[in-house]
Amino acid sequence: GESVGLHLPTLSVQEGDNSIINCAYSNSASDYFIWYKQESGKGPQFIIDIRSNMDKRQGQRVTVLLNKTVKHLSLQIAATQPGDSAVYFCAEHTQGGSEKLVFGKGTKLTVNP
Amino acid sequence: DAGVIQSPRHEVTEMGQEVTLRCKPISGHDYLFWYRQTMMRGLELLIYFNNNVPIDDSGMPEDRFSAKMPNASFSTLKIQPSEPRDSAVYFCASSRNRGGMGYTFGSGTRLTVV
Repeated sequence: GESVGLHLPTLSVQEGDNSIINCAYSNSASDYFIWYKQESGKGPQFIIDIRSNMDKRQGQRVTVLLNKTVKHLSLQIAATQPGDSAVYFCAEHTQGGSEKLVFGKGTKLTVNP
Repeated sequence: DAGVIQSPRHEVTEMGQEVTLRCKPISGHDYLFWYRQTMMRGLELLIYFNNNVPIDDSGMPEDRFSAKMPNASFSTLKIQPSEPRDSAVYFCASSRNRGGMGYTFGSGTRLTVV
């Protein structure tokens, strides 16, 4: 039979609202986390990162929060715009292991004008 | 800076044929990564190189897949023979630093095996 595709979590917001995208990471030894944005037909694009010795980092319109106790990462986008519509991935890097990044499954953000 | 350049952008091939995907990393980046993206499994690392040497190929699905990096400015991912389940978007990424920082992805190659 046909395989069932991965069902991406989705978030739909109105233009101008704030968006919060969540991610549960897998490895308590991970030391570095990144949020990527992927638009249709393009590769993932860096948005913001945070090291494990921090719990909050702010960029332009974006904030990343890290809660190591529950292995949770969130991305907050202020005043969401139609151009923010994309799939957002969190990724983690584990110190002392391979240089690879392990990506989450992604969340599809749709911004309604 | 032209970024990470992948070719072709799209490839349609028949089952059993050999497929070669190409990547040119950013100049000066010592790490090169090949990822595969599917709806079922998301983004998965296949293999990565450091200074042209394969370091971790544990993600390569089977012997039909092989990757080379003959020099600092070029890498290939080859599938021989290709199968319909290989259909996916294949991304190449490069970075200058250790620690997961500064990854830059290419635009990907969408492979369809019929």
